[in-house]
Amino acid sequence: EVQLVESGGGLVKPGGSLRLSCAASGFTFSTYSMNWVRQAPGKGLEWVSSISSSTSYIYYADSVKGRFTISRDNAKSSLYLQMNSLRAEDTAVYYCARDGVEMATPGNYFDYWGQGTLVTVSS
Amino acid sequence: SYELTQPPSVSVSPGQTASITCSGSKLGNKYACWYQQKPGQSPVLVIYQDSKRPSGIPERFSGSNSGNTATLTVSGTQAMDEADYYCQAWDSSTVVFGGGTKLTVL
Repeated sequence: EVQLVESGGGLVKPGGSLRLSCAASGFTFSTYSMNWVRQAPGKGLEWVSSISSSTSYIYYADSVKGRFTISRDNAKSSLYLQMNSLRAEDTAVYYCARDGVEMATPGNYFDYWGQGTLVTVSS
Repeated sequence: SYELTQPPSVSVSPGQTASITCSGSKLGNKYACWYQQKPGQSPVLVIYQDSKRPSGIPERFSGSNSGNTATLTVSGTQAMDEADYYCQAWDSSTVVFGGGTKLTVL
């Protein structure tokens, strides 16, 4: 069974940093592109970042470019999101999601999602 | 930047057919997919590559994509289908989500 478990969320002050993790199990993590998607309270889904299986392709939304860094450790089946210079508008539930096509570059659909971790940016 | 537009809300009576549209420039030239999200839950993929259903998704969910519009159709809508639905596509190495449509089963 595919499982994605996010962690690392919490309350942080504006300008602060936070590192999110996503632990994957139930599939061969190293052969799938992975993604982060967020959802502000009461709002819609917003894509944050994507990374290919070998890290050759990395993409970011304009809203986080230069502040957030996506990475992965295939040996640990884990995905990460380093978030710096956090702003109030970054407050959201952050989801980790698997790309639906194995051995493909990012650019497909998201077939499995984690339960999300809440990041609150407030003074 | 690329945009996908969905109606904020759609209402349907139980047993009837609901159609949710997603509009974007030349969307038919891209693959569209759809997610269902119920309150307090993570999104669930219901349609991918325009019209394919993942395993476990009921046959009453179908999709199409042509021209500038992708459409999610729910046939024989049930109360359990009441949820928010989001379309999604890729454009220039960027993921784009529609704003979401709240499907209400009256």
